[in-house]
Amino acid sequence: GQQVMQIPQYQHVQEGEDFTTYCNSSTTLSNIQWYKQRPGGHPVFLIQLVKSGEVKKQKRLTFQFGEAKKNSSLHITATQTTDVGTYFCAGPSGAGSYQLTFGKGTKLSVIP
Amino acid sequence: DAMVIQNPRYQVTQFGKPVTLSCSQTLNHNVMYWYQQKSSQAPKLLFHYYDKDFNNEADTPDNFQSRRPNTSFCFLDIRSPGLGDAAMYLCATSRVLSTDTQYFGPGTRLTVL
Repeated sequence: GQQVMQIPQYQHVQEGEDFTTYCNSSTTLSNIQWYKQRPGGHPVFLIQLVKSGEVKKQKRLTFQFGEAKKNSSLHITATQTTDVGTYFCAGPSGAGSYQLTFGKGTKLSVIP
Repeated sequence: DAMVIQNPRYQVTQFGKPVTLSCSQTLNHNVMYWYQQKSSQAPKLLFHYYDKDFNNEADTPDNFQSRRPNTSFCFLDIRSPGLGDAAMYLCATSRVLSTDTQYFGPGTRLTVL
């Protein structure tokens, strides 16, 4: 099935620094979703990207979908302690599949 | 507020003793999913229901079963839990069977002694 690779696995930043996590697929994705999971919590949907080259912003978060629809990134500007958690990307498990395969996630720690 | 509810939040069972985890939703979504998430890992899909149609992932052990008696409720039955089944079990729903937004419940953390 489809595999979605995500890097880095861990990221420690000083509060106020920027943060980026990257998601890569060997095949073209029809769409990609991003979820955030706080420590001890459950995944919460952040956004879905569908179009080639799409860029979406949510306050300090910027999401991009590559032109070839094989990669995506999440960038957080000026991190805050409330950004702590694990960020997962998720893409369709295969061509025409309705299931999602999650990347391994990037665990973000923010040092006050 | 419409939501996905899981009970119990924490479950302790003994090796080999059957256990049932519960999920209910007030979103009236057609699709319900069960995921297993081990520490520091991504959620792994076990199976899903689209309405009453059950779909098992190929690598889901036979030890795991599911029931969906109605739209609102879905159960995960682990017939003979092993130590390797200790994990967080997440229920999720989506409105339609597509790569639609999935809404996750808070999860049940299962401990196997």
